Amino acid sequence: NAGVTQTPKFRVLKTGQSMTLLCAQDMNHEYMYWYRQDPGMGLRLIHYSVGEGTTAKGEVPDGYNVSRLKKQNFLLGLESAAPSQTSVYFCAITDSFNTGELFFGEGSRLTVL
Amino acid sequence: AQSVSQHNHHVILSEAASLELGCNYSYGGTVNLFWYVQYPGQHLQLLLKYFSGDPLVKGIKGFEAEFIKSKFSFNLRKPSVQWSDTAEYFCAVNRGSARQLTFGSGTQLTVLP
Repeated sequence: NAGVTQTPKFRVLKTGQSMTLLCAQDMNHEYMYWYRQDPGMGLRLIHYSVGEGTTAKGEVPDGYNVSRLKKQNFLLGLESAAPSQTSVYFCAITDSFNTGELFFGEGSRLTVL
Repeated sequence: AQSVSQHNHHVILSEAASLELGCNYSYGGTVNLFWYVQYPGQHLQLLLKYFSGDPLVKGIKGFEAEFIKSKFSFNLRKPSVQWSDTAEYFCAVNRGSARQLTFGSGTQLTVLP
């Protein structure tokens, strides 16, 4: 989906290292979300934002931090990576739940050794 | 807490067979319901959605879903599957006032040629 760009696409970390995933959108949508996808677990919401300067916790927020300093960018940070954070991370955006459709990025595959 | 259950984890069908994937949710109030599809190596895409009105909704690629309020269900159907339908299918629920989707664990569909 050209409207939602995630970087990096792949990353390998050692336990204890830190990193930041960037989600950038060009659709001017208010709502942005970070999900993680694990086999047999579906997608679980980590954090989300309902507008510039706002963030909120989702279902599995521990070990992650987020920031939304600019409307078009939503950053997901891991301060001290753990093997349990090995996952595929998806960013998603929507303009309103009146329409309800989430637009997803291509995903970022993170491996923590 | 709101939860979404997909009881079929992996379904294997031959081409032209009929498909029905189950989805049940736990929340009793007003809900919006979705089915997303994830083709191999790709991001999630919206298949269909239900907000109100006719409980039988039609989506892309010949898929349809029926909302049965009394059973808290939103099952996905397709009369005749194709090899290209091989993908993972996710049911998702949004409570009317909420700003986030809760996803089920997903059902992997494999269609044999």
